[in-house]
This record gives sequence, C-alpha cells and structure tokens, in this order.
Amino acid sequence: QSALTQPPSASGSPGQSVTISCTGTSSDAGGYNYVSWYQHHPGKAPKLMIYEVSKRPSGVPDRFSGSRSGNTASLTVSGLQAEDEADYYCGSYAGRYNWVFGGGTKLTVL
Amino acid sequence: QVQLVESGGGVVQPGGSLRLSCAASGFTFSNYGMHWVRQAPGKGLEWVAFIRSDGSNTYFADSVKGRFTISRDNSKNTLYVQMNSLRADDTAMYFCAKAWSGNSFDYWGQGTLVTVSS
Repeated sequence: QSALTQPPSASGSPGQSVTISCTGTSSDAGGYNYVSWYQHHPGKAPKLMIYEVSKRPSGVPDRFSGSRSGNTASLTVSGLQAEDEADYYCGSYAGRYNWVFGGGTKLTVL
Repeated sequence: QVQLVESGGGVVQPGGSLRLSCAASGFTFSNYGMHWVRQAPGKGLEWVAFIRSDGSNTYFADSVKGRFTISRDNSKNTLYVQMNSLRADDTAMYFCAKAWSGNSFDYWGQGTLVTVSS
C-alpha cells in the first residue's frame, strides 16, 4: 500500500480538464512544500511535471498545474491532448531523508 | 541532454545478490544527489535509497535497510546499488533518478528489471 493515495484511474475527452488527487498526511504531502508530480509512459523514463506543489519545470506545458489544500495535492491537466494519456504519480518528501509516492493514476483520453 | 541508463538487472534466486549501475551523462554528476526508485509489477513507485553528491551520506527505505547499499563513482559518472539478501518482494523495475529542487526527481532512467525467483 502506497503512502500517498491516488485514484487508480481518471479520464476526459480531448480539450477537457481533469484533476487527479493525491492524499497524504501532515507528515508528508501536507507538511512540506515538496509535492511533485510525474508522468510515466510505460517503458519510458518518468518525467517531472510539477515540483514544490505548483512549479513547472522548463518545457512542461502550462496546461499542467498543481495545487494543494490541506493534506491533499492535486494535478490538473487542462485542454487534454492524446499524448497526455499516461500514468501519473505524486511524490512528497516525508522528512528525515525519506520520500514517498502514490500508487499512480492511469489517465485515459477518451 | 541529460541521460541516465540503468543496467545490471536480471533473474536472481531468493537470498542472492545483484549490483545495478546507472551511467549518467549530460550534467555535472558530482554536483547532484542521486536516488534509486523501484516499481513492483502492477504497483506504484517506491523510493529506495539516496546518496549525497559527494557520497558522504546515504539513506534507505526501511524495506531495504541493512540489505542494500548505494554508492557512486564520480570519476566514472556512475551510480550503483548493491542488493543483498534479495527477496521475492524486491522484484521490480529499478530506476535511477537525479535529485533536484524541492526534493523532487528531475531526470529518470528507463529502468532495469530485477526478478527474484527460484
């Protein structure tokens, strides 16, 4: 069982928006501004999409945004495109040199 | 461009050992901490270990503490993980990842598969 809880699946039609949640505790996602999100196309290297809750690395489209409320972080993908179909994982620093991840959400573009 | 390439995976019997390598290029390897992260079949990601840029300190998940060792050779731009006393639940794809701002992982390799089975 993963430390962070994500819904196993999410879906949306092209052009729509979808939000993926990531629920932790005050010891991880809710206690540090160190929540990150990763896109993973199976067989490829995971890709950092969001770091420090809401910051986008260079090259990541602004269709991807992150936020947090309490112990729950969220990734929103706006203007869904076919290439956004992938597995998405949240991660968080959990203190004392420990990092945790979620179980992943499979995003399907209908 | 940044590249991380893992190698050394394979099939090993329970109780056996394996050493994985991660060859890094495209950045100044000696300036960055590095992680190992794994993904068991059908499961989510699990952080395994972290090593500081100069190798001075190492940290491990409780699930591998005492069995795994992480090391690096900055002269060869290579990260390692030595895995001993392997168990069936160590079966996973193992990724190396570069540490970055905000305790995130900004570059990952494609992984190397470790299967622990008799």
